[in-house]
Amino acid sequence: DGGITQSPKYLFRKEGQNVTLSCEQNLNHDAMYWYRQDPGQGLRLIYYSQIVNDFQKGDIAEGYSVSREKKESFPLTVTSAQKNPTAFYLCASSPGRANTEAFFGQGTRLTVV
Amino acid sequence: GESVGLHLPTLSVQEGDNSIINCAYSNSASDYFIWYKQESGKGPQFIIDIRSNMDKRQGQRVTVLLNKTVKHLSLQIAATQPGDSAVYFCAETWRSGANNLFFGTGTRLTVIP
Repeated sequence: DGGITQSPKYLFRKEGQNVTLSCEQNLNHDAMYWYRQDPGQGLRLIYYSQIVNDFQKGDIAEGYSVSREKKESFPLTVTSAQKNPTAFYLCASSPGRANTEAFFGQGTRLTVV
Repeated sequence: GESVGLHLPTLSVQEGDNSIINCAYSNSASDYFIWYKQESGKGPQFIIDIRSNMDKRQGQRVTVLLNKTVKHLSLQIAATQPGDSAVYFCAETWRSGANNLFFGTGTRLTVIP
């Protein structure tokens, strides 16, 4: 089945450690996105990529890094520089053309312990 | 539009009643709008979209209204059911905005049986 897959669903990290969240899509979409969602709040854009080997910072990129080496994959690394990393992380993809919807993964809940 | 990072407004409706969820968008150049539904612990799912050359679009039990004069979008759900309980987000995009989706804060809908 075509879709967008995030893993793991739950992730625990010790303070000071980097951690990488996986996002894979088999929809042949050009554009991919990472959003952060805090409890009871909306979605905030961390990074996005419109094409392989290119990505742009979103509204809250500090403390995060990404790569886009393959069209299907857009992993997000939460670094130790991110002061408040506990949140729900959502990955999305879209065809990249104007006026098209984005499809979301099921999210990864990251908790710093 | 609504500022991200604010706590979600809430709407409670009786089962069987109609629901109206409102959204103020930010960019007068936005030309495509989407409503998403997010159930607890899951990624947002597409409900319905509308282009800026329309002012109304209907789906199954849902209707989206667009008022470009006041930059306002609404989602109407007919005969609301308990399964409609979720957080609803509006998203906007525009051609010059790299096709990124910009999300509103969201509204939590609770259906009372």
